[in-house]
Amino acid sequence: DADVTQTPRNRITKTGKRIMLECSQTKGHDRMYWYRQDPGLGLRLIYYSFDVKDINKGEISDGYSVSRQAQAKFSLSLESAIPNQTALYFCATSDLPGTSGRTGELFFGEGSRLTVL
Amino acid sequence: DAKTTQPTSMDCAEGRAANLPCNHSTISGNEYVYWYRQIHSQGPQYIIHGLKNNETNEMASLIITEDRKSSTLILPHATLRDTAVYYCIVHFTGGGNKLTFGTGTQLKVEL
Repeated sequence: DADVTQTPRNRITKTGKRIMLECSQTKGHDRMYWYRQDPGLGLRLIYYSFDVKDINKGEISDGYSVSRQAQAKFSLSLESAIPNQTALYFCATSDLPGTSGRTGELFFGEGSRLTVL
Repeated sequence: DAKTTQPTSMDCAEGRAANLPCNHSTISGNEYVYWYRQIHSQGPQYIIHGLKNNETNEMASLIITEDRKSSTLILPHATLRDTAVYYCIVHFTGGGNKLTFGTGTQLKVEL
């Protein structure tokens, strides 16, 4: 089983609908992230969380919200989806770098492809 | 976090070394250089990272210049499976691990 699991993997929805993308991890990491990738572009950070009680906006948080239900779960919601939110979404986790040989590297899920019509 | 500049694309012959450059002239003393790669539309994969010393692991080597303003990722014997987009990221890990990815270098390994 994958260390970082995203559901759904693919979703087609209509403008105005509420959509939730879910992410769960078995890495035991405190830090979780949501990224968005558009065709031909790099990944842009939407939200990140350093622990259950810590939620932070990334560079493109408008139109999105998140919920950190537990250490292992971090959900991304689109309250009212619009076509320009059509993209590939990635969840990632990381540990605290620099301790006990930890690298602080990001571990990514396989992505959730969202299409908003 | 400091910004990085990478070539848009590079080609490499299979079996040869692939040398991917990255400029990070505004890097500060506590920022690390990280490299990731993304194959097709899969989630990016960590390759290597370093602060100021050269680093090597089973995947690649990272050469950082003495002034730390640039670095080179070396894949010693590139294979077709190394065809991917490679991202160079400069990041201060102590203040939060919120890595921002640019557009990277598309490496194409050919026969």
